[in-house]
Amino acid sequence: EIVLTQSPGTVSLSPGESATLSCRASQSGSSSNLAWYQQKPGQAPRLLIYGASSRATGIPDRFSGSGSGTDFTLTISRLEPEDFAVYYCQQYGSTPPRIITFGQGTRLETK
Amino acid sequence: QMQLQESGPGLVKPSETLSLTCNVSGASVRSYYWTWIRQPPGKGLEWIGLINTSGGTHYNPSLNSRVTISIDSSKNHFYLKLTSVTAADSAIYYCARQNYYGPLYYMDVWGEGTAVTVSS
Repeated sequence: EIVLTQSPGTVSLSPGESATLSCRASQSGSSSNLAWYQQKPGQAPRLLIYGASSRATGIPDRFSGSGSGTDFTLTISRLEPEDFAVYYCQQYGSTPPRIITFGQGTRLETK
Repeated sequence: QMQLQESGPGLVKPSETLSLTCNVSGASVRSYYWTWIRQPPGKGLEWIGLINTSGGTHYNPSLNSRVTISIDSSKNHFYLKLTSVTAADSAIYYCARQNYYGPLYYMDVWGEGTAVTVSS
């Protein structure tokens, strides 16, 4: 079973700065097997990135995803006040058990 | 525009069965894959299982023996049943559309979630 480890657990930044969030998978697989979600308090998660680097519909271009193998990154440039939230990465198992797995989340908070 | 809305009892007694409905609007429930995800208070996301366009299901092995996901195309709903619940099953339950890109299954449309508490 794949384990996704996100780092850091919490990052404190100011609006206008850039954020780099990491997601490491316990097994290497397809470079397109990763999605990123944003979740604000009291709201459902929102898809940001799929296929490691493709932005979902309506997602601003300050959000970008990259990576392959076991290491993936979500970069948020020019942080806006509405970007402060929890971010989760997610994969689908390429080998049994083929389950959808989430990382534990990274909290992006205002400095 | 596709929208999903969960409904069901907010309180379930231990050892009983949790039953939730996801109402799909703006699309046919037979046209896509659908999934259930839950989030215990203050914790991360856990995938429960999915149902495909043929009615086939795939569940998280950690819940496999207790979970059933089904579809009613006449009502454009899909459902979650979780048996023998305990306090550990208290969570916000989300329904979502399951999309795919190459080897990746991901969720691109989410309901707002419904909170379920297991308590006597």
